Amino acid sequence: DGGITQSPKYLFRKEGQNVTLSCEQNLNHDAMYWYRQDPGQGLRLIYYSQIVNDFQKGDIAEGYSVSREKKESFPLTVTSAQKNPTAFYLCASSTTGLANGELFFGEGSRLTVL
Amino acid sequence: RKEVEQDPGPFNVPEGATVAFNCTYSNSASQSFFWYRQDCRKEPKLLMSVYSSGNEDGRFTAQLNRASQYISLLIRDSKLSDSATYLCVGSNAGNMLTFGGGTRLMVKP
Repeated sequence: DGGITQSPKYLFRKEGQNVTLSCEQNLNHDAMYWYRQDPGQGLRLIYYSQIVNDFQKGDIAEGYSVSREKKESFPLTVTSAQKNPTAFYLCASSTTGLANGELFFGEGSRLTVL
Repeated sequence: RKEVEQDPGPFNVPEGATVAFNCTYSNSASQSFFWYRQDCRKEPKLLMSVYSSGNEDGRFTAQLNRASQYISLLIRDSKLSDSATYLCVGSNAGNMLTFGGGTRLMVKP
């Protein structure tokens, strides 16, 4: 079955530690995205990538980093510079990087900083 | 001002009721609009696209009003399983999708 797999589903981190969230898709989609969702709020775009080896900052990129070395993979690193990292992180993909295609989401990774 | 704004609710309705949500957007150049559904602690999933002519999918009807810059979602004959958060989505100036904060619907027996 095609889809997007995020791991881990739940993650606890101490302050000052970097953590990397995995996102893998086998939908053959060109575009991939990372969103952050806080309680009662909408999704905010962290980074996106429309093609391998290229990515762009979204609205809230500070304190995060990404890579896109393979079409299938778009890992997100939450660095110690991110002031308030506790949130629900969602990875998504689409056939194009434009706003006319459906976004397919992974099940999310819930990060808690202790 | 947020690019896409929604009433957070919750909307509490009895089974069988008709309920409507509105969502306003600030970018008059937005071309694409969608409604996504998100169950509690789950990922969003596309419910329906919103076309200029409006569109209907079973009990769900979506409409776009460009003059007033809002889109709506109407749910008829509400089911318990319709309980979820409904996210309004539009395209922004960078032609990326931007999400509203969501409207929470609770359908009661």
